Amino acid sequence: AQSVAQPEDQVNVAEGNPLTVKCTYSVSGNPYLFWYVQYPNRGLQFLLKYITGDNLVKGSYGFEAEFNKSQTSFHLKKPSALVSDSALYFCAVRDRSSASKIIFGSGTRLSIRP
Amino acid sequence: DSGVTQTPKHLITATGQRVTLRCSPRSGDLSVYWYQQSLDQGLQFLIQYYNGEERAKGNILERFSAQQFPDLHSELNLSSLELGDSALYFCASSVESGTVSSYEQYFGPGTRLTVT
Repeated sequence: AQSVAQPEDQVNVAEGNPLTVKCTYSVSGNPYLFWYVQYPNRGLQFLLKYITGDNLVKGSYGFEAEFNKSQTSFHLKKPSALVSDSALYFCAVRDRSSASKIIFGSGTRLSIRP
Repeated sequence: DSGVTQTPKHLITATGQRVTLRCSPRSGDLSVYWYQQSLDQGLQFLIQYYNGEERAKGNILERFSAQQFPDLHSELNLSSLELGDSALYFCASSVESGTVSSYEQYFGPGTRLTVT
């Protein structure tokens, strides 16, 4: 069965410092992997995805994520955090079956202090 | 603005009642997804429709049903409502074709349902 784990409920980072939001997954075969961000009282917004190819994926707002097949991880990173990055971040996984459902992680609240 | 619209924004109703939530996908998107977001359960996938047909089912209760119409808008029907059904309900759409499921989803602003 598919599953996604975001082991940290909350991540606190000082503005200007690098940030990492962790995600590990379990899926049979090769997955599609996604990161979404949710600001208060808003729907989720797509940040980036891994489909195939280069393990380092770049997305919106300066975020990037690294696909690590051996560790079954897809951690979200940014070299220099902004206060405006404070939000709820969701990792999601889907296997390559066309009829498969997408599974979201439990979310990680990112708080950037000035 | 994602291009996905949902109505109503807020809904307050009593236990035992039935409500219908509506979603219009982005222009050109054939797939519609429904999600429930609550504090204790996180974001739960309910159901997906592709071009009018049910494509995948998640943790959707038997009291809930959905459909996608020929104009591609979708409705989620919730009946015999319980206090625990209070949540944010999101609709999302994606462009994916018949065999490709790699596309990202675009989420609507959600409908906040309060059952009293």
